[in-house]
Amino acid sequence: TQLLEQSPQFLSIQEGENLTVYCNSSSVFSSLQWYRQEPGEGPVLLVTVVTGGEVKKLKRLTFQFGDARKDSSLHITAAQPGDTGLYLCAGFRGGGNKLTFGTGTQLKVEL
Amino acid sequence: SQTIHQWPATLVQPVGSPLSLECTVEGTSNPNLYWYRQAAGRGLQLLFYSVGIGQISSEVPQNLSASRPQDRQFILSSKKLLLSDSGFYLCAWSRDNNSPLHFGNGTRLTVT
Repeated sequence: TQLLEQSPQFLSIQEGENLTVYCNSSSVFSSLQWYRQEPGEGPVLLVTVVTGGEVKKLKRLTFQFGDARKDSSLHITAAQPGDTGLYLCAGFRGGGNKLTFGTGTQLKVEL
Repeated sequence: SQTIHQWPATLVQPVGSPLSLECTVEGTSNPNLYWYRQAAGRGLQLLFYSVGIGQISSEVPQNLSASRPQDRQFILSSKKLLLSDSGFYLCAWSRDNNSPLHFGNGTRLTVT
């Protein structure tokens, strides 16, 4: 059973378009993180959200943690080819020594 | 600053052969250490994690084992590889519980 489901699984858009990636669960997480991964490399942390309802912005990326701390979203404004990659949400539960990853969203931004 | 080293980058091994992947962290003490496996373009599956020397927690029953012989060294092993062990293996560390993970660049393992 996958605790964190991401949608969509694949997304191919044109440069300049906006997009939203969703990360949903039936479980409550003490914190949730978003990572971006490029081929042949390990994931790199983008942001951590801790408080229910929290919104964080990182340039053109906006992250939101659901009020009940069960879901999160990532919105990218005016996507660029450099945004291409695999986006992964991940959450800590309970004691915080196990990070569970979502199913991943593969984003491709074309010129 | 902290760095994580994982090797080798790629590995091709025959079925039934042993495996040893090594991961070391520099610049920090008593980190949490993790081994993940990733299918192509998908999320990461947690295999093992360790909160201290000799302390290993296994997440899924499998053909693999892990050891932490030193504070900043984490080793993933197998006595006899299976075809299904092929995948992208990632080592990671975190400062403590609920802290972000920092990943190595992974090992692409192909079992033939």
